Amino acid sequence: DAKTTQPPSMDCAEGRAANLPCNHSTISGNEYVYWYRQIHSQGPQYIIHGLKNNETNEMASLIITEDRKSSTLILPHATLRDTAVYYCIVYRGGSNYKLTFGKGTLLTVNP
Amino acid sequence: EAQVTQNPRYLITVTGKKLTVTCSQNMNHEYMSWYRQDPGLGLRQIYYSMNVEVTDKGDVPEGYKVSRKEKRNFPLILESPSPNQTSLYFCASSPLGGKGTGELFFGEGSRLTVL
Repeated sequence: DAKTTQPPSMDCAEGRAANLPCNHSTISGNEYVYWYRQIHSQGPQYIIHGLKNNETNEMASLIITEDRKSSTLILPHATLRDTAVYYCIVYRGGSNYKLTFGKGTLLTVNP
Repeated sequence: EAQVTQNPRYLITVTGKKLTVTCSQNMNHEYMSWYRQDPGLGLRQIYYSMNVEVTDKGDVPEGYKVSRKEKRNFPLILESPSPNQTSLYFCASSPLGGKGTGELFFGEGSRLTVL
């Protein structure tokens, strides 16, 4: 699976949109982009995933560039409870369905 | 409510005293997996199971055993715990097939300390 690069930390004001970038320049055509978050040592929580089209669900939106080399997770109205480590993962699937979690981005939402 | 339940959530034990961390899911998922999380090392897969009686090693299986006798349960066994197994452990499950293969459902974690 391709590797990802994320900034180690970001800040966001409460009520504003949080835009979390991820670079995955070596992604291949059959690899998905997944986003998870982990709130202070709780179990990671699935947020959203996509292949090449933009995706939206009740939690967030995922924007994938046309060349698929980068993506942005958007939390439209960040709250204090969105403070967490956000992981961007490129995943193809395979024999053990293993997701490889990197270091992620610590998003701090400030009041 | 759909969930993955781990027990115990917190445990302090001593070197060599066998222990089992249980994991149960109520979503009828085929796939289950164990991860450990350590500072600076991220989440690393210990073992996984594709279905009942089908288990395989992940990246860091040494010192651990698992079993999958029922679909809902996937216990992690430390036969002779050592201090380097002090960690935060997560169990996860997922349905197989289709677009759900990368969507893991995680438990709340079990913090284990081995003295």
